[in-house]
Amino acid sequence: GAGVSQSPRYKVAKRGQDVALRCDPISGHVSLFWYQQALGQGPEFLTYFQNEAQLDKSGLPSDRFFAERPEGSVSTLKIQRTQQEDSAVYLCASSFDNSGSYGYTFGSGTRLTVV
Amino acid sequence: AQSVTQLGSHVSVSEGALVLLRCNYSSSVPPYLFWYVQYPNQGLQLLLKYTTGATLVKGINGFEAEFKKSETSFHLTKPSAHMSDAAEYFCAVTGTASKLTFGTGTRLQVTL
Repeated sequence: GAGVSQSPRYKVAKRGQDVALRCDPISGHVSLFWYQQALGQGPEFLTYFQNEAQLDKSGLPSDRFFAERPEGSVSTLKIQRTQQEDSAVYLCASSFDNSGSYGYTFGSGTRLTVV
Repeated sequence: AQSVTQLGSHVSVSEGALVLLRCNYSSSVPPYLFWYVQYPNQGLQLLLKYTTGATLVKGINGFEAEFKKSETSFHLTKPSAHMSDAAEYFCAVTGTASKLTFGTGTRLQVTL
């Protein structure tokens, strides 16, 4: 597609509920990143895929967070047993290769509110 | 490891005035540097990037930035602010492993 698409745009979850956030990157982009942006803060790195391989998951805040990209295109970020501190905007970005030199295209994000 | 410091969480300028948003970085390897803009309830839009070559980089909407290695800086400027420039601006750096590290952002306000 022309850009990075994320769905849903907004998600309200009750505490303890599981959620799944979807990212559809630009076709052919090798690298895919997930970021978490708390209110009034800059985005914080969560995890990185090169094709279907998850090469870095050092930013995932707990084992309740899980990401996958099974066919090297669409990615899903899953959060189990959501907590209030998980409330944030979750941004997905993709890049043509893994060098960073082409820049990164971001989606509009999913705003997760845990009540 | 990489880090970014953006001086000034809020900057206010008059329409037509110079815009200067400050960014200093730390990186253990030659950095790639980026400026992104974020409008309310939207994702991040790339303004400009420095990878290699010319240290003065021109971007969209009349913005430019200069990479100064000796000062570890990558400040964003625009000669004349427009009301539509009001937004949140993020400086970011990438080094090894290509992941971006962002600053905390600067909110630009443009007044008449």
